[in-house]
Amino acid sequence: DTGVSQDPRHKITKRGQNVTFRCDPISEHNRLYWYRQTLGQGPEFLTYFQNEAQLEKSRLLSDRFSAERPKGSFSTLEIQRTEQGDSAMYLCASSSRRPPKYEQYFGPGTRLTVT
Amino acid sequence: AQSVTQLDSQVPVFEEAPVELRCNYSSSVSVYLFWYVQYPNQGLQLLLKYLSGSTLVESINGFEAEFNKSQTSFHLRKPSVHISDTAEYFCAVSDAGNQFYFGTGTSLTVIP
Repeated sequence: DTGVSQDPRHKITKRGQNVTFRCDPISEHNRLYWYRQTLGQGPEFLTYFQNEAQLEKSRLLSDRFSAERPKGSFSTLEIQRTEQGDSAMYLCASSSRRPPKYEQYFGPGTRLTVT
Repeated sequence: AQSVTQLDSQVPVFEEAPVELRCNYSSSVSVYLFWYVQYPNQGLQLLLKYLSGSTLVESINGFEAEFNKSQTSFHLRKPSVHISDTAEYFCAVSDAGNQFYFGTGTSLTVIP
């Protein structure tokens, strides 16, 4: 298994544009999490999926943020009408419902720069 | 909502000296506790976790953490650090693996 992968690794966009990031979890993992990390801070939980169901989305930062996991495999995170404050590292993690449970495996992240 | 406080943002320590990285969390209800490590230019990796049972948990590279429910703490310790332990360490708490809350991190620098 190659681990959690994220694409792209870097994204530069202009303010007001929409961006979409992709996360491919470890294949047998049913849970997938999205985080945002800004400089000097720990990861900030955004949302998570169990299979294709989005079980928590109240912590998405605004209605400009949305996430999908249509077939319970890969997931996408979309930010509409980007703002400079959206510049951050966006992390994806996955975990299994089988033991060892709750062990999240993180991807390398997508670094977003909004100019 | 939970919150996690890592009291030290930077900890310099000499090689082979002991170290303690402090972590306190806000809730007294049942939680799962984790320490993650991020080595330079690498992604986050799980170092150790407490779910239940023995309050002292250990990692394979000599770190240990003790869950103290009365003090709502989960401090990370190592009796003798190595140069290779230089990294950013994050404490995290979870409500049954649903939402995770991370601290702001402690940068451990091991000085030769």
